[in-house]
Amino acid sequence: DAVMSQSPLSLPVTLGQPASISCRSSQSLVYRDGNTYLNWYQQRPGQSPRRLIYQVSNRDSGVPDRFSGSGSGTDFTLKISRVEAEDVGVYYCGQGSHWRTFGQGTKLEI
Amino acid sequence: EVQLVESGGGLVQPGGSLRLSCVASGFTFSSYDMHWVRQATGKGLEWVSAFQTSGNIYYPDSVKGRFTISRENDKNSLYLQMNSLRAGDTGIYYCVRDGVGHYDIWGQGTMVTVSS
Repeated sequence: DAVMSQSPLSLPVTLGQPASISCRSSQSLVYRDGNTYLNWYQQRPGQSPRRLIYQVSNRDSGVPDRFSGSGSGTDFTLKISRVEAEDVGVYYCGQGSHWRTFGQGTKLEI
Repeated sequence: EVQLVESGGGLVQPGGSLRLSCVASGFTFSSYDMHWVRQATGKGLEWVSAFQTSGNIYYPDSVKGRFTISRENDKNSLYLQMNSLRAGDTGIYYCVRDGVGHYDIWGQGTMVTVSS
């Protein structure tokens, strides 16, 4: 299985400022079908996780365009262009190319 | 509305058993692989089991031989039988729909506490 590592684990931010989270995999996440199954999940306080971005850069419906995902192979990034109060929570990267594993989570706080 | 609703959590002593249930609605349940994912209190996410539409079943080593996943497509239901429970199994258990390499629908979770 691929081991996922996120950084930072804690991310204090200022409202309106950008934020960036890094996710690295112990092996390439390019699957045999050519797709890269690297996803981002958001877990707001007291809520279940929800999918935010799938296959590196595809935003889920209803996800604001201030969220963007990028990367390839083993290195990936989630960016928030301008942090809003509702973005507070924990962000997990998760991979689906080598079964299913998650990063440790990054706690975003204002 | 696409929804997953878990039930069956509770307090159980070490070595005990518990059966979790998940009822799906709003989509064709039989067409999707279904998984269980857990989260220890204040910790990250861990995949626990998977039941593919092909009938293939998978577990991580941490629960293999103790947990059994099953499903009843005619009842839109997914189950997790957990035996020989340990303190380390404590956490919230989520029923999730696998949308090919990613979890696109999550339930609200059910809490399992293993303690004497």
